[in-house]
Amino acid sequence: NAGVTQTPKFQVLKTGQSMTLQCAQDMNHNSMYWYRQDPGMGLRLIYYSASEGTTDKGEVPNGYNVSRLNKREFSLRLESAAPSQTSVYFCASSLMGGHSYNEQFFGPGTRLTVL
Amino acid sequence: GDSVTQMEGPVTLSEEAFLTINCTYTATGYPSLFWYVQYPGEGLQLLLKATKADDKGSNKGFEATYRKETTSFHLEKGSVQVSDSAVYFCALSDRSGGSNYKLTFGKGTLLTVNP
Repeated sequence: NAGVTQTPKFQVLKTGQSMTLQCAQDMNHNSMYWYRQDPGMGLRLIYYSASEGTTDKGEVPNGYNVSRLNKREFSLRLESAAPSQTSVYFCASSLMGGHSYNEQFFGPGTRLTVL
Repeated sequence: GDSVTQMEGPVTLSEEAFLTINCTYTATGYPSLFWYVQYPGEGLQLLLKATKADDKGSNKGFEATYRKETTSFHLEKGSVQVSDSAVYFCALSDRSGGSNYKLTFGKGTLLTVNP
């Protein structure tokens, strides 16, 4: 099992450009998540998908959109990148959101710089 | 809302020293508690967990006990190694209030262990 995979690993954008971060999991998990990690801020939830066909906003959704393409894949799109979106982005998945034991498995991250 | 407060770092120790990283939480329901570890350049990995009061989670020599009376989940290790150098995150998952799909993270504590 590859677990949670993310592409690309690194990306540099210019302000105003768009891009999509890809995430896939092969653990047959129901729930998937996108976080951003900034120095001194911990991880903040951008969007999540509790199950295939549903998506919901997290703590910091502005400037992002998501698509739960199927049970395996959950993509994050930046329509018009801004320097404030420079961050490390992590995708995660869990077997069953809604359970008190909600262990999440994380991908290796995408390091995004917006100039 | 839910929150997690963990001691600020960085923490620098010598090999074989005793480690404590404090973590306290606020939650409306009956949360599950987690410690995640992030090694340099990698994603987060679950280190240990506890799902109810008085449970003790343990893994790789690390331990943490779920203390409901003090709303704490402090991470301890009796003898750290250089390979334990990483960022440690305390997190909770709360079943109540519709937030049961999400993890709430502390800001992370950077641990450096010197030989």
